[in-house]
Amino acid sequence: DAGITQSPRHKVTETGTPVTLRCHQTENHRYMYWYRQDPGHGLRLIHYSYGVKDTDKGEVSDGYSVSRSKTEDFLLTLESATSSQTSVYFCAIRAGTGANTEAFFGQGTRLTVV
Amino acid sequence: GESVGLHLPTLSVQEGDNSIINCAYSNSASDYFIWYKQESGKGPQFIIDIRSNMDKRQGQRVTVLLNKTVKHLSLQIAATQPGDSAVYFCAENGDTGNQFYFGTGTSLTVIP
Repeated sequence: DAGITQSPRHKVTETGTPVTLRCHQTENHRYMYWYRQDPGHGLRLIHYSYGVKDTDKGEVSDGYSVSRSKTEDFLLTLESATSSQTSVYFCAIRAGTGANTEAFFGQGTRLTVV
Repeated sequence: GESVGLHLPTLSVQEGDNSIINCAYSNSASDYFIWYKQESGKGPQFIIDIRSNMDKRQGQRVTVLLNKTVKHLSLQIAATQPGDSAVYFCAENGDTGNQFYFGTGTSLTVIP
């Protein structure tokens, strides 16, 4: 899967608790993305990063924060999880060599907030 | 935000027939488009891409057509096989080119 590892793969957490999802890549790619996937909505961009410590918001960033202190890791944090954040979360990476290039996806993390 | 939509949420085809999946996009500034395939329980998998300076691109059994005039994208799968059963998404790169915006997906079912 293009050298992308998401962890954990499954998590159940309680409302109001903090949760951190990790995306690790071995490709040294510049761009990393976090998406959520919900029925009827396809994939929606939460946050993305274009380099170490360089991040930006996507379509549905409220309630989420991210950090990228190393090229290989991109963390997604739910500061206080809510039931509306129950979803499948996908990380993606892209080389960003100057020309448009495709994004490669991880296997996903299924998060349930109860 | 971007609006990338698909005309049909589900599509059923006989094995061996050709499949056509359509997609409409809203941002005329998008200059790069991708089709992804997603099987159950897996992440989206790249199928084929096309840049806005092209109107057609062919891969192995797949062809993508781009009509910038009406902001329409289609994916054609030749001789559809059971292994092609999946959800297909189109994506565009939007204003900055750094983000990808996805449609809601079309579920393709191949009937043996």
